[in-house]
Amino acid sequence: ETGVTQSPTHLIKTRGQQVTLRCSSQSGHNTVSWYQQALGQGPQFIFQYYREEENGRGNFPPRFSGLQFPNYSSELNVNALELDDSALYLCASSAGTPSYNEQFFGPGTRLTVL
Amino acid sequence: AQSVTQLGSHVSVSEGALVLLRCNYSSSVPPYLFWYVQYPNQGLQLLLKYTSAATLVKGINGFEAEFKKSETSFHLTKPSAHMSDAAEYFCAVINGGSQGNLIFGKGTKLSVKP
Repeated sequence: ETGVTQSPTHLIKTRGQQVTLRCSSQSGHNTVSWYQQALGQGPQFIFQYYREEENGRGNFPPRFSGLQFPNYSSELNVNALELDDSALYLCASSAGTPSYNEQFFGPGTRLTVL
Repeated sequence: AQSVTQLGSHVSVSEGALVLLRCNYSSSVPPYLFWYVQYPNQGLQLLLKYTSAATLVKGINGFEAEFKKSETSFHLTKPSAHMSDAAEYFCAVINGGSQGNLIFGKGTKLSVKP
């Protein structure tokens, strides 16, 4: 059974650019949640996708957007990057929603914005 | 709204000593509570979860946590620390609503001295 994978591992961008992060969910999971973990902080919920539809969003601006594909993999897109967007981005997959079942996390993508 | 507070951003213990990491929650409904561990440059791994069954929850790697409603606490313990336990630990609560996203504390970094 393949776990949750994320790509790329690291990314460096400059302010104002756009970035796309990718996540492959664990086999059998149809729900993907994205979290932002700033340095020294706990992860914060960005949004969740369930069966290709956005199913809830945290306190993040619209320049954070996402997609979920028919195979339940997902993308996180961030436009007009700001310095404060520098963080570890984690995706988590789970079976169904609400996600009272265990959420399995990927290793994350570390984004640095210069 | 649900929230968790972790007391102590950094805890240091000697190898073989008791590990106690503190977490207090705030929830208007019976909470679902979790402890996750994060090793350097890795994602989050579930240690244990409380879902309103037994109040004493046993997890992986010898960790356990006790749900105390009267104290609104869910502290994590391990009788004897091992060097490999050095990591960051996050307490989390499930948010209400259809998505059931996780709300994390700020984390406690555990150091283990030889």
